[in-house]
Amino acid sequence: QVQLMQSGAEVKKPGASVKVSCKASGYTFTSHGISWVRQAPGQGLEWVGWISGYDGNTKYAQRLQGRVTMTTDSSTSTAFMELRSLRSDDTAVYYCARVGPFDYDSSGFAHYWGPGTLVTVSS
Amino acid sequence: DVQMTQSPSSLSASVGDRVTIACRASQGISNYLAWYQQKPGKVPKLLIYAASTLQSGVPSRFSGSGSGTDFTLTISTLQPEDVATYYCQKYNSAPRTFGQGTKVEIK
Repeated sequence: QVQLMQSGAEVKKPGASVKVSCKASGYTFTSHGISWVRQAPGQGLEWVGWISGYDGNTKYAQRLQGRVTMTTDSSTSTAFMELRSLRSDDTAVYYCARVGPFDYDSSGFAHYWGPGTLVTVSS
Repeated sequence: DVQMTQSPSSLSASVGDRVTIACRASQGISNYLAWYQQKPGKVPKLLIYAASTLQSGVPSRFSGSGSGTDFTLTISTLQPEDVATYYCQKYNSAPRTFGQGTKVEIK
């Protein structure tokens, strides 16, 4: 069965960086993409970005452009999201979710989700 | 970028009521619209994709409709276990924006 396992909770100081991992199993990693979605405490869902497992193509939310980088390691079926220059408003649960392999994609909805990784930014 | 606007932001209804949640896209997105349910402290769950296709295992009291810019999620007979926040999302291309959510409570 499809599973997405995420790395553990992180506590970071403002200005630091964090790298969250998402290890996929139960499907062919290179046939799909991974979206990252975050949710600040008590707030709604915010799309962070997407990476294709097929060709490594990426798309990022404009407000995070320049601070976020998404990568994959197909040898371990793992996706990574790195966020730099952390601020207090980056405190959130970060989810990975399986989506389609292309940007313009009729399968871009998220059926399978990881359990989430809490990233806390505090001095 | 296409903006997604949900209404209302919250609602309170009685068990057995018909509940309707609206989602409007600022530009046409054909039928590339998904609905998710998120219960408190839980991971979001896919309910509907392609605007009206019910995900396997989702109760048939949930339905979706619409195309272009205006979409609707309907719960035909509200149940206590439907207490949750519901989100729409456009997914045809990046950015795959979510609506701000609609919190559904029992009166």
